[in-house]
Amino acid sequence: ETGVTQSPTHLIKTRGQQVTLRCSSQSGHNTVSWYQQALGQGPQFIFQYYREEENGRGNFPPRFSGLQFPNYSSELNVNALELDDSALYLCASSQIGTGNEQFFGPGTRLTVL
Amino acid sequence: TQLLEQSPQFLSIQEGENLTVYCNSSSVFSSLQWYRQEPGEGPVLLVTVVTGGEVKKLKRLTFQFGDARKDSSLHITAAQTGDTGLYLCAGARLNTGGFKTIFGAGTRLFVKA
Repeated sequence: ETGVTQSPTHLIKTRGQQVTLRCSSQSGHNTVSWYQQALGQGPQFIFQYYREEENGRGNFPPRFSGLQFPNYSSELNVNALELDDSALYLCASSQIGTGNEQFFGPGTRLTVL
Repeated sequence: TQLLEQSPQFLSIQEGENLTVYCNSSSVFSSLQWYRQEPGEGPVLLVTVVTGGEVKKLKRLTFQFGDARKDSSLHITAAQTGDTGLYLCAGARLNTGGFKTIFGAGTRLFVKA
């Protein structure tokens, strides 16, 4: 059983650029959630995807968008990057009906200059 | 705004001492998870509680879900240096617009030898 993987591990972008982060779900899981974690804070829920559709969204602007693919892998896209977007971006996979038990990847550290 | 407040924010204790971390909200959650996170890594699931009043034990860790499913506690008996880390609680709610997970800001525990 493979765990959740994310790529890249680190990324440096400049303000105004666009970024795509990738996540492969744990085998057997059909749901993926994305979180933003600023330094010293708890993760903030961005959105969740189930069956390739957005299944819930936190308080993030539309420039944060996502995709889920038939193999349950996922992408997080952020347009028009801002300095405050610098954070650890975490992907978590789960199986609907298991009480929201989520398994996290190691994260992608995004730095916006 | 739904908040999940954790206390204390920081705890430094001697090895062998007991401690309790609290997670409180004014909202009802369908389930609540506790995670532990090491620096530079994603959170690792410790436990899920679903039923009000539920108590779960994981070796030296005891987790309790409040009767009203609005609060939870994590008690560690005879803390060890290996318990050092960031402890996060997360509540799950299904409301209009879909599914949402809320994390607390975390309790940073440091156990001294």
